[in-house]
Amino acid sequence: GAVVSQHPSRVICKSGTSVKIECRSLDFQATTMFWYRQFPKQSLMLMATSNEGSKATYEQGVEKDKFLINHASLTLSTLTVTSAHPEDSSFYICSASGGTPDTQYFGPGTRLTVL
Amino acid sequence: LAKTTQPISMDSYEGQEVNITCSHNNIATNDYITWYQQFPSQGPRFIIQGYKTKVTNEVASLFIPADRKSSTLSLPRVSLSDTAVYYCLAHVSGSARQLTFGSGTQLTVLP
Repeated sequence: GAVVSQHPSRVICKSGTSVKIECRSLDFQATTMFWYRQFPKQSLMLMATSNEGSKATYEQGVEKDKFLINHASLTLSTLTVTSAHPEDSSFYICSASGGTPDTQYFGPGTRLTVL
Repeated sequence: LAKTTQPISMDSYEGQEVNITCSHNNIATNDYITWYQQFPSQGPRFIIQGYKTKVTNEVASLFIPADRKSSTLSLPRVSLSDTAVYYCLAHVSGSARQLTFGSGTQLTVLP
C-alpha cells in the first residue's frame, strides 16, 4: 500500500515551453501533497504544499506564477513549470499524506531537462 | 521544525550491522522521527517512524532514548544494495505537516 506515482519520469523540453508533471496517490486519498525539487548532490527542497480543493502554499523564493500547482482531487496533484528555462532543470519529486498512520510517501520523481 | 544533524557519510562492509545516529536537540513534544532512504534519481522511500523507545519493522530498527534528543537507525546485515542516502526528520504528526530535509547520510556498503 501507500504508492505514489509520477508522470512522466523524465522530460526534455525547449526553453520557453511549459511542462506538466502529474502526481497520483494510487491506493489512498491524499489530503495534502507536497512538491520538492532536488539538484544534483543536494538534499530535497520543499517548493509548495497543496491541499485538495484549495490554493497551494509556496515556500519563500518559489514563484507561484511559474510553478502552477493544482490539487483538484484527493488522488491527483499537478505541477506545471511555465516558460521553462535551463535553470529549471532539476529532479522534481512529489509526496502525499493522508493515510493512517500519517506518513508522507514519495513519488519516484521526474527528471526535467530544459534545453 | 526541529533541526536534525547526521554524519555526512559512513562506510560499512556487507553483512555488518550499521547504526546511523541523528541528533535533534530541540525536538518538540509532538514531533515524531522518521527515516527515509533515497537512491540516486529516485524519490525517498519510507523506512521507519517512531516517537520513543524502540520500533522495529522488517527492514530496520529505530532506537529513541528517553530524552528523545537523538535517535539511531539500525540496519542489520547490510548488503551492497543498501548503499544510499539516509535522511532523519523530526516533525509534528499531522496531514498538513512539512518535512525539512537535512543533508542526510551517504552510506556506502563495501564488498
